[in-house]
Amino acid sequence: EIVMTQSPATLSVSPGERATLSCRASQSVSSNLAWYQERPGQAPRLLIYGASTRATGIPARFSGSGSGTEFTLTISSLQSEDFAVYYCQQYNNWPQFTFGPGTKVDIK
Amino acid sequence: QLQLQESGPGLVKPSETLSLTCTVSGGSISSNNYSWGWIRQPPGKGLEWIGTVYYSGSTYYKPSLKSRVTISVDTSKNQFSLKLSSVTAADTAVFYCASQHSNSWGWFDPWGQGALVTVSS
Repeated sequence: EIVMTQSPATLSVSPGERATLSCRASQSVSSNLAWYQERPGQAPRLLIYGASTRATGIPARFSGSGSGTEFTLTISSLQSEDFAVYYCQQYNNWPQFTFGPGTKVDIK
Repeated sequence: QLQLQESGPGLVKPSETLSLTCTVSGGSISSNNYSWGWIRQPPGKGLEWIGTVYYSGSTYYKPSLKSRVTISVDTSKNQFSLKLSSVTAADTAVFYCASQHSNSWGWFDPWGQGALVTVSS
């Protein structure tokens, strides 16, 4: 099983500031990585797939980068609605899928 | 636009079988463009993929759950279901159904709103 880790566990950021979240895979997943946003009481929402492609309707302030084992999700200027938990997921090891433990972005 | 909605009992007794249904609207469950999966989230914890059923009927499960999980499709109702047997308190979670598109069979989009299932006597 490919193990996904995320850091930090919690990131405290002021509105308007940049947030940088990291995701690491225990072995290469190429660019087969997705990011999700989970707001309290809501289902996860797809943000990024293919490591760097924004899903439909996702604002340009969200960007993804990386390949292999190291990935980054950047939120360029945090808005109030962006305070949430973010998960990465690998799909390189089809048909087995694994998620990271999540990074909580909260208000500083 | 594809939409998914979970339904089922919110309380299950230990050692019994948890059963949930996901109703699909906006598309056909028989379509070869989609696969159908279940993901769970224990309270305060992260997401765990449980398994996926493909249009071909093939099913794949997380190895640690495989002995207890069955995912099946009911084409007449445009639904798919999850059965998890011999449940314990550790199986208490919000259960999500979600789909994957044939462009990669990779990421999950969209998701249902989730259904909380508590295992308790």
